[in-house]
Parts: sequence; C-alpha cells; structure tokens
Amino acid sequence: DIQMTQSPSSLSASVGDRVTITCRASQGISNYLAWFQQKPGKAPKSLIYAASSLQSGVPSRFSGSGSGTDFTLTISSLQPEDFATYFCQHYDSYPITFGQGTRLETK
Amino acid sequence: QVQLQESGPGLVKPSETLSLTCTVSGGSISPYYWSWIRQAPGKGLEWIGYIFYNGNTNYNPSLKSRVTITVDTSKNQFSLKLTSVIAADTAVYYCARKSHSSGAFDVWGQGTMVIVFS
Repeated sequence: DIQMTQSPSSLSASVGDRVTITCRASQGISNYLAWFQQKPGKAPKSLIYAASSLQSGVPSRFSGSGSGTDFTLTISSLQPEDFATYFCQHYDSYPITFGQGTRLETK
Repeated sequence: QVQLQESGPGLVKPSETLSLTCTVSGGSISPYYWSWIRQAPGKGLEWIGYIFYNGNTNYNPSLKSRVTITVDTSKNQFSLKLTSVIAADTAVYYCARKSHSSGAFDVWGQGTMVIVFS
C-alpha cells in the first residue's frame, strides 16, 4: 500500500496567515493526489484534485502543488471558516489511502 | 445537484453483519464509480471499496474477506455489507462518488455512525 504522510499533524495560525500543509507519498503517484477539508461532525469536502486543480466553488485562496511524492496545500490568507482538518488522498492505485490529517487551529 | 444519503442500522452486535445503503438523488448512478469510506472515532479516513455501475468491484485488501458492495441501478442505490464485525469496525461510514473527469472523489454523503456494541 502507498503510505501518505502529512505534516504537521496540527498547526496553529491566525486569520490572514499564509498556511502550508505537506503530504508525502511513500512512492511516486504522479499527480493523482486530492485534498479534502473536514469540519467536526461533517463529511469531507473536496478542495483539490490532480494535485493542483481546484474543485468548482472552492475559493482561490486554496492552492495545491507537487508531483511524484511531495505535495503541498497552501491557504494564502486564512479565513475564519478555514479552521478545520485537512486530509490528502492518493488515487494512483488500489488501495486508495489517506493521510492522517492536519488539524488547523486558531492561535 | 447530486446528493448521497447513507442509511442503515446504527447499532450492530459483534460477529453480525453491518448493512448500509447509499441512495443517489439528483443524478444517475451510471456511469460512475461509487465508494464506501469509513472513519473510526478520532481517526483518519479508510477506503473500503469501489463499485462501478455495471457491478465491477475493487476492495481494500485489509477488509476484502469481509466486504461485499452491490449496486441496484433501478433504485439508484448501492450497498455495503461487512460481515463478522468487531468493535474496531465502529466508525462513521461515508459513501462517495468518483468524478469522471478528475478521477477523485467529488461528492460525499453526510455519513452515518455505526457502533458495534453487544
């Protein structure tokens, strides 16, 4: 199985901050990488697919980059509604696996 | 706008079978891939398996011996059965759609909590 490792596991930030979350795959996955946002008690929301493509309706302050094994999710200017947990997920091969999550908290 | 809704018992006894259904509304179940994903309390997400609208499946090897996913195109539903459940199967179970264009999950159900409890 491909292991997805996110860092950091938690992050404290303030509104307006630029935030970057990293996801590393245990082997190359090309650009078959998605990012999700999850708020407590809610289903995950799709943010980014193909490593850098924004899902329809997602604010442009979210961006993704990377290819191969190393990927990043960046929020350019943190908004109050962005405090949540973020997961990466590969879909290069089966089984699909997810990162363990990064909890983004208010400082 | 496509919406997914999970349904099924919230409590299952150990060694019994967990059965859930996902109803697709606002769109057709074909020709997409549909998936079950779960999240144990306080844990990350675990992919359970896929079914294509024509019935082709792919399961996570960690659960393959206990999982069956089926589809009923006439009802616009797909279902999950997980046999011989144990406490570690306690989780929120989500259904999700794989996008044609991106290959990634683009639509998720709200999730349903299943507790394995004797």
